[in-house]
Amino acid sequence: GAGVSQSPSNKVTEKGKDVELRCDPISGHTALYWYRQRLGQGLEFLIYFQGNSAPDKSGLPSDRFSAERTGESVSTLTIQRTQQEDSAVYLCASSSDRGSYEQYFGPGTRLTVT
Amino acid sequence: GENVEQHPSTLSVQEGDSAVIKCTYSDSASNYFPWYKQELGKGPQLIIDIRSNVGEKKDQRIAVTLNKTAKHFSLHITETQPEDSAVYFCAAGYNNDMRFGAGTRLTVKP
Repeated sequence: GAGVSQSPSNKVTEKGKDVELRCDPISGHTALYWYRQRLGQGLEFLIYFQGNSAPDKSGLPSDRFSAERTGESVSTLTIQRTQQEDSAVYLCASSSDRGSYEQYFGPGTRLTVT
Repeated sequence: GENVEQHPSTLSVQEGDSAVIKCTYSDSASNYFPWYKQELGKGPQLIIDIRSNVGEKKDQRIAVTLNKTAKHFSLHITETQPEDSAVYFCAAGYNNDMRFGAGTRLTVKP
């Protein structure tokens, strides 16, 4: 079946512009995660959605970052007034709340802020 | 919330040797401990996981051990091969609420 998809795969933007990154999780997966991965670094947790519960936003680095999820489907991560330090790969993952809690990762969006 | 620490950050071994990566976690409620492998340019993929009611699990050359009292768990790779070279992440959490370690870059020299 289809895996997690993300778009765009690459995004180059000028400092100060807003960007929107999209994640399509695996159908039926109730949990969705966003991570940031800087070059050669680990996974930095950003936000976690679980069903209809209030999202865990504890990882968002500043108020320029926000994310939304419509029901148990698509999620968008928005970065306002982008800065050069926002340059990274943004990974999305989804998982089911039944049985295995394995997270299935998308291919990521590489964001470059010039 | 959960806090996961992972060591070492880099590890280089000779082909055929064993590799061990260790993680500690902070939340005693955590009950699920997966390990992920990330190859260059790709998202992480699950390679093995363990739940809190088990102390050890093995899958061919890969094994994971869990010490709930000490709140630490480890990944063991035996007879390493060059294709094992990648970044490995541990994670810990309760049900779907997971946090990842910072990762270990493993290099297996032929």
